Amino acid sequence: GAGVSQSPSNKVTEKGKDVELRCDPISGHTALYWYRQSLGQGLEFLIYFQGNSAPDKSGLPSDRFSAERTGGSVSTLTIQRTQQEDSAVYLCASSSPTPQSTGELFFGEGSRLTVL
Amino acid sequence: GDSVTQMEGPVTLSEEAFLTINCTYTATGYPSLFWYVQYPGEGLQLLLKATKADDKGSNKGFEATYRKETTSFHLEKGSVQVSDSAVYFCALSAQGSGSRLTFGEGTQLTVNP
Repeated sequence: GAGVSQSPSNKVTEKGKDVELRCDPISGHTALYWYRQSLGQGLEFLIYFQGNSAPDKSGLPSDRFSAERTGGSVSTLTIQRTQQEDSAVYLCASSSPTPQSTGELFFGEGSRLTVL
Repeated sequence: GDSVTQMEGPVTLSEEAFLTINCTYTATGYPSLFWYVQYPGEGLQLLLKATKADDKGSNKGFEATYRKETTSFHLEKGSVQVSDSAVYFCALSAQGSGSRLTFGEGTQLTVNP
């Protein structure tokens, strides 16, 4: 499809397990973002990739969280030793490099993570 | 740091009622301001934006004006429809941050027929 694709759409895991969430951005978009949406909360910024620059990891809540982006396209968010407070919807977004599009992020439908 | 504050929800209105969702922000410099909308079962999508003071963003009958003197970007619509039921997020992109956005907590709007 033409939009941002995320998988899995739903993930239930046990506390202490590792999980990987995948994001496939819109083709040609150089910027990719991960956000977290917890129940009753706004969107919390996690990490931002822009082209070949070093990622902005300033939003990652702990060293259990990491993300990589291979070949400037697909990204994987990894959460190690999951905790119940990690339960949330993890949203991926991408954006175009053109100046006119500044601020317009295209979001996927999210991956809902439930940690039991 | 930068922050966005939205009016507390949820908001419930009857069809054809007037809508205002308040949004204020804290940021250095001259941020760009946005409203995103999340319809049930769908991803967030841009509703409107304004990139400098006194600009008015508009789309689908919604409007918001960038007010630097009051650091506000309130969302308005003159006559809401049932199909406007969604969660609305106010957001800002600070100068120099590229397209990274800081979001408010979101306001759930329900419009009843």
